[in-house]
Amino acid sequence: ETGVTQTPRHLVMGMTNKKSLKCEQHLGHNAMYWYKQSAKKPLELMFVYSLEERVENNSVPSRFSPECPNSSHLFLHLHTLQPEDSALYLCASSQEEQVYNEQFFGPGTRLTVL
Amino acid sequence: RKEVEQDPGPFNVPEGATVAFNCTYSNSASQSFFWYRQDCRKEPKLLMSVYSSGNEDGRFTAQLNRASQYISLLIRDSKLSDSATYLCVVNREGSARQLTFGSGTQLTVLP
Repeated sequence: ETGVTQTPRHLVMGMTNKKSLKCEQHLGHNAMYWYKQSAKKPLELMFVYSLEERVENNSVPSRFSPECPNSSHLFLHLHTLQPEDSALYLCASSQEEQVYNEQFFGPGTRLTVL
Repeated sequence: RKEVEQDPGPFNVPEGATVAFNCTYSNSASQSFFWYRQDCRKEPKLLMSVYSSGNEDGRFTAQLNRASQYISLLIRDSKLSDSATYLCVVNREGSARQLTFGSGTQLTVLP
């Protein structure tokens, strides 16, 4: 096991729904990430939190809203999504202050937007 | 030019074969390099970091050529369990946190 858990593992939602993805890391790391992986595309970094503060946001639409209440938990709040947002959403964590920022991933939430 | 480019494959090799994957990256200021492995419908997992001097971990050898901006992964004595997609990963300039992932090279080891 990677020490990073995500719930739910699968989610189907309509375009008008509001849902949240949850991530928890048990590795004592101080940085957490959200990535999107669409079919046949490389992983895309969405958000980075370091020491519970959002430090990077890679031009993600506002229908995705992250929240990091503490260094172990990360949420991704979803609202009014589009069918093209269907993808695998991966959470990762790492320890800051390292040149080699090895990131550890959770199993992902497979999201389908109808 | 993509930030990280890999041959998508697929590579189909028999058990016991040696196989090599290559990757090129565009940002000459990148400082950290990795190979991740991703099994079908699973999350990526770190296979190994790639250091300037090259490094080896059992059957796996990684090399870095900064002058050519080129990274390689060699797998010797392939096992069926090596079947996966191999992702080349490089950090973005000025940020150890921001990693850029290649699209991956698919490997199938055949019995």
